[in-house]
Amino acid sequence: DTEVTQTPKHLVMGMTNKKSLKCEQHMGHRAMYWYKQKAKKPPELMFVYSYEKLSINESVPSRFSPECPNSSLLNLHLHALQPEDSALYLCASSQDGGPFTDTQYFGPGTRLTVL
Amino acid sequence: SQQGEEDPQALSIQEGENATMNCSYKTSINNLQWYRQNSGRGLVHLILIRSNEREKHSGRLRVTLDTSKKSSSLLITASRAADTASYFCATTTRLNYGNNRLAFGKGNQVVVIP
Repeated sequence: DTEVTQTPKHLVMGMTNKKSLKCEQHMGHRAMYWYKQKAKKPPELMFVYSYEKLSINESVPSRFSPECPNSSLLNLHLHALQPEDSALYLCASSQDGGPFTDTQYFGPGTRLTVL
Repeated sequence: SQQGEEDPQALSIQEGENATMNCSYKTSINNLQWYRQNSGRGLVHLILIRSNEREKHSGRLRVTLDTSKKSSSLLITASRAADTASYFCATTTRLNYGNNRLAFGKGNQVVVIP
């Protein structure tokens, strides 16, 4: 199974709402990632989890809160977002970061609209 | 962090023709990867070339890497309508064991006309 799943596919939320994005992989990967992608732009790294611990936070605003409950799951909790946070949010995973295991497997993304 | 930069950014070709995209980067890398993204969907890994490799093939794909020029190219031969997508190069910088940073270039939009 080389699939990364993300739910929901689409999310519309108001600026006062609290919502969560979910990501799951069953490839035994120990590194998981959140990316944000605006239209016609490349993905931008937000967070990296390695062995269930947050290892990289790319200076993301605190209204985005990642969580890794176990090695297969990755959540992104959203609170008090702004309209400019509307984007495609991509989850990815990779193996344990050995020298030849840098390939990342991406989920289909969650299209987020903040009203 | 560095970013790959592709040139050209938009390419429109007839089915059956070859498509070539270029990517340049600024700092030392561990490897370089190419990904494809169909409209508004997730990225699909195409090929990875390590910093000590110069050329790699996978099916209709051919990737070259010139570390002295800090550049890479992706060639898609005998293009098909299904190849219509955005193509991103991404450079990998290893931070420590278990962590690497993937920095994506701006992307190339390829349209293959049937």
